[in-house]
Amino acid sequence: NAGVIQTPRHKVTGKGQEATLWCEPISGHSAVFWYRQTIVQGLEFLTYFRNQAPIDDSGMPKERFSAQMPNQSHSTLKIQSTQPQDSAVYLCASSSVGGQDTQYFGPGTRLLVL
Amino acid sequence: QQQVRQSPQSLTVWEGETAILNCSYENSAFDYFPWYQQFPGEGPALLISILSVSNKKEDGRFTIFFNKREKKLSLHIADSQPGDSATYFCAARDNTGNYKYVFGAGTRLKVIA
Repeated sequence: NAGVIQTPRHKVTGKGQEATLWCEPISGHSAVFWYRQTIVQGLEFLTYFRNQAPIDDSGMPKERFSAQMPNQSHSTLKIQSTQPQDSAVYLCASSSVGGQDTQYFGPGTRLLVL
Repeated sequence: QQQVRQSPQSLTVWEGETAILNCSYENSAFDYFPWYQQFPGEGPALLISILSVSNKKEDGRFTIFFNKREKKLSLHIADSQPGDSATYFCAARDNTGNYKYVFGAGTRLKVIA
């Protein structure tokens, strides 16, 4: 079991560029979550999918951020026209659904927008 | 509105002491509380968790005490080791079928040898 895989681990973009972050959930897990972590705001929920369907995107900034889960083996978080305030660690987690549904986190992608 | 609060923000203990990390919440619908441990440069890793039907959960040196009436819980780390130095997050999930977690701001623990 390789755990949740996130790529890239680090990404540097210039202001206004696009950033796409990838997440591969644990095999067999049907729920995928995206969180953002900063020193100031801590761990913030962004969005989540269950069985590839978007369930709750209440934490997603309404502009520039979008997430997809085209198949059960990966999800992407896309940030268009990146801004310096988007700099953060973006964490992906996956869980099975049912029971305690514990979320298992990947190592994160550290995004730096210059 | 911060639904999950943690205290202290940082804590330093000597090796061998018991570290006590506190967490409180506001939403009565929260029914599952995992604690995560995070080292620099890594994602959070599940340490121990408790359901609201229990008042205590033990796993080795780690114990959660839960008080539903007061909406408070605490993580006790017995015989603290320098390797326990990390940031600890209390999280909560509600019972409405929405599986997302709400996280506290974390407690940074330092264990001095």
